[in-house]
Amino acid sequence: AQKITQTQPGMFVQEKEAVTLDCTYDTSDQSYGLFWYKQPSSGEMIFLIYQGSYDEQNATEGRYSLNFQKARKSANLVISASQLGDSAMYFCAMREDILTGGGNKLTFGTGTQLKVEL
Amino acid sequence: EAQVTQNPRYLITVTGKKLTVTCSQNMNHEYMSWYRQDPGLGLRQIYYSMNVEVTDKGDVPEGYKVSRKEKRNFPLILESPSPNQTSLYFCASSRAILLQGGGTEAFFGQGTRLTVV
Repeated sequence: AQKITQTQPGMFVQEKEAVTLDCTYDTSDQSYGLFWYKQPSSGEMIFLIYQGSYDEQNATEGRYSLNFQKARKSANLVISASQLGDSAMYFCAMREDILTGGGNKLTFGTGTQLKVEL
Repeated sequence: EAQVTQNPRYLITVTGKKLTVTCSQNMNHEYMSWYRQDPGLGLRQIYYSMNVEVTDKGDVPEGYKVSRKEKRNFPLILESPSPNQTSLYFCASSRAILLQGGGTEAFFGQGTRLTVV
């Protein structure tokens, strides 16, 4: 069964510094997608970045990048130049069987609460 | 604007009183799901639907029902709510096939905070 592990319940970072949020996953599937979502205190789920298992390059979206290490089954989120507005809960998630459309479920980790300090 | 709309945002109800949380999406997505979020557990899938009239159980389906009579709507029904169903609920929709380079992230509704007393 698929599983996502986020080992950091809480993280602190100074404004303007970079921070890495860890995510490891477990799957026997060959085609899968990895996602990161941000949940601010207002509660909504905001999509940040996606990495496909067949993608050879690490995904980047603005200040967000995904450090994908397939052999180690890790998909860490890197936020560069942290801002106060980055303070939120961050979830790593995985979707399996992506090429045939048979997989629908997103399996989520337990999340990392990030606090950006002045 | 592409969006998933859930209603209500907040609901306090009593044990055993049937309720429905509505969900509607305007992106013509095939897939729709319901998740519940509990502290320390992340989000867990309750039910999902791969298309109209096609629904199936997720990881935590007990005590819930769903229906998919139209592509855009996917209501969550609690026939006899109990206090252990107090949670934050999310509806999500996405495209069926993951294409090279992405484009099938799940879009989430605003969430429904349900309290059962």
